[in-house]
Amino acid sequence: SQQGEEDPQALSIQEGENATMNCSYKTSINNLQWYRQNSGRGLVHLILIRSNEREKHSGRLRVTLDTSKKSSSLLITASRAADTASYFCATNNQGGKLIFGQGTELSVKP
Amino acid sequence: NAGVTQTPKFQVLKTGQSMTLQCAQDMNHNSMYWYRQDPGMGLRLIYYSASEGTTDKGEVPNGYNVSRLNKREFSLRLESAAPSQTSVYFCASRVTGDNQPQHFGDGTRLSIL
Repeated sequence: SQQGEEDPQALSIQEGENATMNCSYKTSINNLQWYRQNSGRGLVHLILIRSNEREKHSGRLRVTLDTSKKSSSLLITASRAADTASYFCATNNQGGKLIFGQGTELSVKP
Repeated sequence: NAGVTQTPKFQVLKTGQSMTLQCAQDMNHNSMYWYRQDPGMGLRLIYYSASEGTTDKGEVPNGYNVSRLNKREFSLRLESAAPSQTSVYFCASRVTGDNQPQHFGDGTRLSIL
């Protein structure tokens, strides 16, 4: 069964705008990870946030984690056309096995 | 470095045929994983290998077998392909340790007629 649910399923914005994607999960976790998938390619790891962390930044990415609400968000600031991709959250609660959400399809229009 | 390499990239099979999907990584990772990705379903874990010599079932193992041939290679076999196994298959690997990301190959697109 899918651990994570992502919201929205699809998001369309203009270049320069910010994009926010949300992820909810069901059980306790060791960490939560975000991945990007370009069309026809494999997943690329973006950022990992541990269960004892609340916020993490990497370049234009900001991830928050609220373990009390079992939710996370990924913010991409000043988006670019090259950010067009699907974004997946994945939770790790046992020995490195990941459980993925269904993904958010982001379209950034030039 | 090539990272995680999957072969073939595309394959069409007839129902009942068998096939082995190959995966190799050159990052000296201990753990390797096989997933399938279906539209609207995200990725689901089929089998994984925490270290050389060990394999374990994931969420959707039925109809599949795996072999961890050595530290580099982890193959996925469909003994008797069914249309429900039409999917995109991804292999991934990672360093041992809780807070380590997975590294993915570009997938094998498999159609079963």
